[in-house]
Amino acid sequence: DTAVSQTPKYLVTQMGNDKSIKCEQNLGHDTMYWYKQDSKKFLKIMFSYNNKELIINETVPNRFSPKSPDKAHLNLHINSLELGDSAVYFCASSQVPIAAVLYNEQFFGPGTRLTVL
Amino acid sequence: AQSVTQLDSQVPVFEEAPVELRCNYSSSVSVYLFWYVQYPNQGLQLLLKYLSGSTLVKGINGFEAEFNKSQTSFHLRKPSVHISDTAEYFCAVTSKYQTGANNLFFGTGTRLTVIP
Repeated sequence: DTAVSQTPKYLVTQMGNDKSIKCEQNLGHDTMYWYKQDSKKFLKIMFSYNNKELIINETVPNRFSPKSPDKAHLNLHINSLELGDSAVYFCASSQVPIAAVLYNEQFFGPGTRLTVL
Repeated sequence: AQSVTQLDSQVPVFEEAPVELRCNYSSSVSVYLFWYVQYPNQGLQLLLKYLSGSTLVKGINGFEAEFNKSQTSFHLRKPSVHISDTAEYFCAVTSKYQTGANNLFFGTGTRLTVIP
């Protein structure tokens, strides 16, 4: 069973379109994340959600809107796609840290390669 | 805020030779440190992590890393590499004192290429 799954695996679209990437985790985790990996392989956090509530938005353009219908899903919707949005997007999940010194491992999905033409 | 520097973007090494991938971090608070591996066209897999305790951490696939607080480093090592170790390796850091989420901050990655 896949712990963190993403669909689609590849997404090719035209500039200006609106698209969504779906993420689901079956680990029972409370926290989910979206990361972006650019063409130089640099990985950067975009969003994290805890129990369906947005915790952090790391200076991501408001064309990107995460949507969490339940705590097992965190979808990424992108409006008015631009060339610079081309990247690999990774979803991840973890149990929420409930104490200041507790870390819970993040499990990553396989990634979605988005190409904007 | 935390940041990570991986000094080598590419490291070629012959099979069965030892390898060290360098990682330095910067943070104003105590941190947890990680190494992730990304095989071609795949997601990220956790190799090892340092949370507390012994500064020498052993991970999967024969890798180990040593946390050096005075040098703010967390270098990854393997005494003898295999062809299958060819991949991208990412060092990452998160603050010990985040609640609600542990956002990871990644380095730019090191491409390890094992030469037969």
